[in-house]
Amino acid sequence: IAGITQAPTSQILAAGRRMTLRCTQDMRHNAMYWYRQDLGLGLRLIHYSNTAGTTGKGEVPDGYSVSRANTDDFPLTLASAVPSQTSVYFCASSDSASSTDTQYFGPGTRLTVL
Amino acid sequence: GENVEQHPSTLSVQEGDSAVIKCTYSDSASNYFPWYKQELGKRPQLIIDIRSNVGEKKDQRIAVTLNKTAKHFSLHITETQPEDSAVYFCAATRGYKLSFGAGTTVTVRA
Repeated sequence: IAGITQAPTSQILAAGRRMTLRCTQDMRHNAMYWYRQDLGLGLRLIHYSNTAGTTGKGEVPDGYSVSRANTDDFPLTLASAVPSQTSVYFCASSDSASSTDTQYFGPGTRLTVL
Repeated sequence: GENVEQHPSTLSVQEGDSAVIKCTYSDSASNYFPWYKQELGKRPQLIIDIRSNVGEKKDQRIAVTLNKTAKHFSLHITETQPEDSAVYFCAATRGYKLSFGAGTTVTVRA
C-alpha cells in the first residue's frame, strides 16, 4: 500500500545523544514536512521541504535539522537531544507545496529523551 | 504567522446527538481549512476540508462551514456514533505551512 513510513516506531534516548528519525514516502510527493505533537499544543511544524534539494524552517526548528537528498526521503536529525524534545514526531507529505494540497501523515515516532 | 484557536478542548455527546467544534484564525489571507481526526495512538487523517471560495461543504454525516468575514470555521458531526470518538484538529494555511488548533477530544457516550 502506498504511503508514508517512519522509523523507528518509538525510541528512548539519553540526553546529549544524536538521533535521526527516518521518513520515506512512495507517492512521489514533492513536499514533505516534520511536525511534533505535544499534549495541548496540537501539531507544530519543525521543518519542511518544497522539493528535493530545498528545505525551510517551520514554527519550532531549533535543535533539529533536515535534509532532502531525493524525493522519497526526509530524515530529521536531533544533533544533541534534550528532554524538551520528548514528543511524538509525525512526517507528512503533499503532492506539491500548494496551499490547498492535502497533507498525508506517517504513523509517527514516539521519542523519549531522558 | 497564523494563529488558530479551537474550542472546546473536550466534548462529550450522547450517541445520536450532534457535535460541533469551532475554530478561529488570525490571517485573513488563509485560504485552506482542513480537519483531521486522530484516534488514540494513530496518525492524523484528513476527514474533510474547505477552501476559501466555498462557504459550506458536506460529506455524509460531516459538514464544515466557513465564515471568512468573521475568520472562523466549524465542524459539524451529526448522528454521532461510538467510532466518532477521537481527537479532532482544525488547521488553516495560506501557504504550505499548516497551523493547527490544539485539538478537541470528542467522546461519544453509548
